[in-house]
Amino acid sequence: QVQLQESGPGLVKPSETLSLTCTVSGGSISGYYWSWIRQPPGKGLEWIGYIYYSGTTNYNPSLKSRVIISIDTSKNQFSLSLTSVTAADTAMYYCARDSRGLHVDYWGQGTLVTVSS
Amino acid sequence: QSALTQPASVSGSPGQSITISCTGTNSDVGDYNFVSWYQQHPGKAPKLMIYEVYNRPSGVSNRFSGSKSGNTASLTISGLQAEDEADYYCCSYTGSRTQVFGGGTKLTVL
Repeated sequence: QVQLQESGPGLVKPSETLSLTCTVSGGSISGYYWSWIRQPPGKGLEWIGYIYYSGTTNYNPSLKSRVIISIDTSKNQFSLSLTSVTAADTAMYYCARDSRGLHVDYWGQGTLVTVSS
Repeated sequence: QSALTQPASVSGSPGQSITISCTGTNSDVGDYNFVSWYQQHPGKAPKLMIYEVYNRPSGVSNRFSGSKSGNTASLTISGLQAEDEADYYCCSYTGSRTQVFGGGTKLTVL
């Protein structure tokens, strides 16, 4: 059974960079797409982007200028970097496995990131 | 890309059937059979219920079914049960090789 676990700071200051890592266990990171999805408190889901195990990425156009998703297959980890954050970036951030880049079949439990000074 | 349109809320009594709609455009729902549906209970991560319009993952009850007509996809839950009370989100692949979610629908079981 594939399991995903997000890790990273729960508090980030405005204008700084949000950095999260997702560790995949119970299966190989190879052969799949790996996504980041977020959910502001009390609001809906927003797709951030994905990375294929080979390194190919695709991002939400509205976030593309601020987002980088990277992958380390040797550690079975992938990461999210979101620059120049504001309060609007406060959200639960989920990492997930994406089947063929079309839908998520495994989710992490999520990690809450608050942007505040 | 704009979020897909879902009703904010739907409700039904135990045993009844309900349908949640998800309206997109010719660039997402209308052009691809890659619509998925997720169930989210409070404080929990979403769970995949339907993928590629009408396919159910292993372990998902056959009370859940999906369909699509034109730019609108639908999720139908039959034989409504108390445990079905949750938020439901649709999601579609787009022509830009990205994905877009709907705004979510809160299902209340009366």
